[in-house]
Amino acid sequence: AQTVTQSQPEMSVQEAETVTLSCTYDTSENNYYLFWYKQPPSRQMILVIRQEAYKQQNATENRFSVNFQKAAKSFSLKISDSQLGDTAMYFCAFTFSGNTPLVFGKGTRLSVIA
Amino acid sequence: DSGVTQTPKHLITATGQRVTLRCSPRSGDLSVYWYQQSLDQGLQFLIQYYNGEERAKGNILERFSAQQFPDLHSELNLSSLELGDSALYFCASSHSRDQPYEQYFGPGTRLTVT
Repeated sequence: AQTVTQSQPEMSVQEAETVTLSCTYDTSENNYYLFWYKQPPSRQMILVIRQEAYKQQNATENRFSVNFQKAAKSFSLKISDSQLGDTAMYFCAFTFSGNTPLVFGKGTRLSVIA
Repeated sequence: DSGVTQTPKHLITATGQRVTLRCSPRSGDLSVYWYQQSLDQGLQFLIQYYNGEERAKGNILERFSAQQFPDLHSELNLSSLELGDSALYFCASSHSRDQPYEQYFGPGTRLTVT
C-alpha cells in the first residue's frame, strides 16, 4: 500500500523568507504522480503544484517549486518570498495513475509571520 | 473556483439520523471521489465513481453509501450517524482524458453530529 509521510506537523517562516516543507512516500510503482495541496483557513483544497514521476525536471509554479528525488522517494515543497496569504495547511498527496484516489499525508501547518 | 459544487455547506444533525450530501463535478469530468477530513487530520478516501459505476472503495463504513447519477452528480448518504462522523466531507472530480490524475475539490460540506 502507498503511504505518504509529512514529518513536520508545524512550521513558521518570516514574510519574504523561503521555507521548505518535507514529504516522503512509499510505493512499489514506477509511474505515479505527486501533488501539493494548500488548505487555507477557508478549508478549500487548492492544488499548488504537481509532479509526474517520469519527469526528471522539478516542477515550478511561480514562487512554488519542488525538489523531487525519485530514488529517495522524497518530494519537498519550497516556497520562496513567503507571503501572509501562504499561511495554510499543506498536504502532500500521491496517486499511481489517472482516475485513482489520492493518498494524503497528515499535513504541515505553515504560519507566515509579518 | 474549482468548478466543483457541494451542497449543503453546513449540516447539523443528531445522532442516529440520516443525511445526504450532494456533489456536482466540473463540466465533463466523469470521475467523482469522496473524502473525509476529521478535525486536524488529513483526508481519507471513502469512495470513487466513474461514469455512474463504483470504481474504488476506501475506508468507507457500511453505514455510508454513495451513487452517481446519469447527469454525473453524486450523492453520499450517511446513516445511523454517530458523534465520530462529524467531519468535513469533500468531493473531488477529475477528467478521464485531460490530465486524469489531477483532482479538483469542491468547498466541502461540514457535518456536525450532536
